[in-house]
Amino acid sequence: EVQLVQSGPEVKKPGESLRISCKGSGYNFTNYWISWVRQMPGKGLEWMGKIDPSDSYINFIPPLKGHVTLSTDNSISTAYLQLNSLTASDTGVYYCARRRTYGLEGFDVWGQGTVVTVSS
Amino acid sequence: DIQMTQSPSSLSASIGDRVTITCRASQGVGNDLAWYQQRPGKVPRLLIYAASTLQSGVPSRFSGSGSETEFTLTISSVQPEDIATYYCQKYNSARETFGPGTKVDLK
Repeated sequence: EVQLVQSGPEVKKPGESLRISCKGSGYNFTNYWISWVRQMPGKGLEWMGKIDPSDSYINFIPPLKGHVTLSTDNSISTAYLQLNSLTASDTGVYYCARRRTYGLEGFDVWGQGTVVTVSS
Repeated sequence: DIQMTQSPSSLSASIGDRVTITCRASQGVGNDLAWYQQRPGKVPRLLIYAASTLQSGVPSRFSGSGSETEFTLTISSVQPEDIATYYCQKYNSARETFGPGTKVDLK
């Protein structure tokens, strides 16, 4: 079965950092982009950025520059999202999702989501 | 950056109604447009990709059309399990932006 399994919920204080993992299984991990999507409470889906595990090419939305780090460990088919200098506005659900590198499809497999709460 | 808009932002439908949601891109995106369904408290699910291709396992009452800057998602006969928020997304580009969503509920 193809799946992406994310790490568990996080509770952090403002100013702290966190890292969320997303482990792929059942497919060739390096043949698919991994994107990260944020959903703040009661709001819509926001695409944050993506990484190509085959060459570590990264792209993300400009407001996140310096705040977000994307990486992968291909030896364990896992992608990571690191958020630095957390604020309350980082509270929300974070999803990883895959899209085939040279494919026509959208995000066909999603992680289960990681709930992040930032509160003093 | 290409911006995505959706209309309406919400709608109420009766079981069996035909529902159409529109997605517009501020610049042409070819056919690189996907539709997702997100039921309350659930993970988003891919419904349509390449503007009109039905994802495997998705009921045939869902269909997509359009190209470049205007796209539509149609539910031919709304069922109770279709109560959800629907998002369009442009992909296969540097930034893979979602639309703001259309919430569908029961009348």
